[in-house]
Amino acid sequence: RKEVEQDPGPFNVPEGATVAFNCTYSNSASQSFFWYRQDCRKEPKLLMSVYSSGNEDGRFTAQLNRASQYISLLIRDSKLSDSATYLCVVNIQDSSYKLIFGSGTRLLVRP
Amino acid sequence: GEEVAQTPKHLVRGEGQKAKLYCAPIKGHSYVFWYQQVLKNEFKFLISFQNENVFDETGMPKERFSAKCLPNSPCSLEIQATKLEDSAVYFCASSRGFQSPLHFGNGTRLTVT
Repeated sequence: RKEVEQDPGPFNVPEGATVAFNCTYSNSASQSFFWYRQDCRKEPKLLMSVYSSGNEDGRFTAQLNRASQYISLLIRDSKLSDSATYLCVVNIQDSSYKLIFGSGTRLLVRP
Repeated sequence: GEEVAQTPKHLVRGEGQKAKLYCAPIKGHSYVFWYQQVLKNEFKFLISFQNENVFDETGMPKERFSAKCLPNSPCSLEIQATKLEDSAVYFCASSRGFQSPLHFGNGTRLTVT
């Protein structure tokens, strides 16, 4: 089983739609969680950190469920510019410090 | 600097040749990470440093890969005797510390022919 798993998609949605991605992680020692966005094999860019209480940034909402070991990202009112790959990243902090990436979920927003 | 700077942007090597990649982390960031991205979106963790000390090298293919972060120099990732399967984009990232997000460089695209 992979340490961090995501649905690869692609999610193909019309502009204005609401779309949600989930990500599960296997290591209960995981300490911090992030969503990154990657466009066309460019460098990943931080979209948002995910806090235990959940957090929102404009049209984006991230939630963490420690008991079930998953995090989610909700995008409301999708824009064409949201088309990208969304990467779930988990900080494994047991005996080391490394961030493990999910394989990414591809989002296509169509006009 | 304010950005993670990676050089070169592209690197082409024949099989068996050496490849060396460089990364200057953001000033003030103590941790440096190297990742390899092949094909789709599989990011493979290679190695992390805390300042000049190796922190975690569990992802490194030790026979041919080596990395260093020396004081007052860019960090480097070196591949001896490159193989076709080493073709990938190599990303360097830095962070302030535990629980901090990573900031990525633009990557180095290595093509082994």
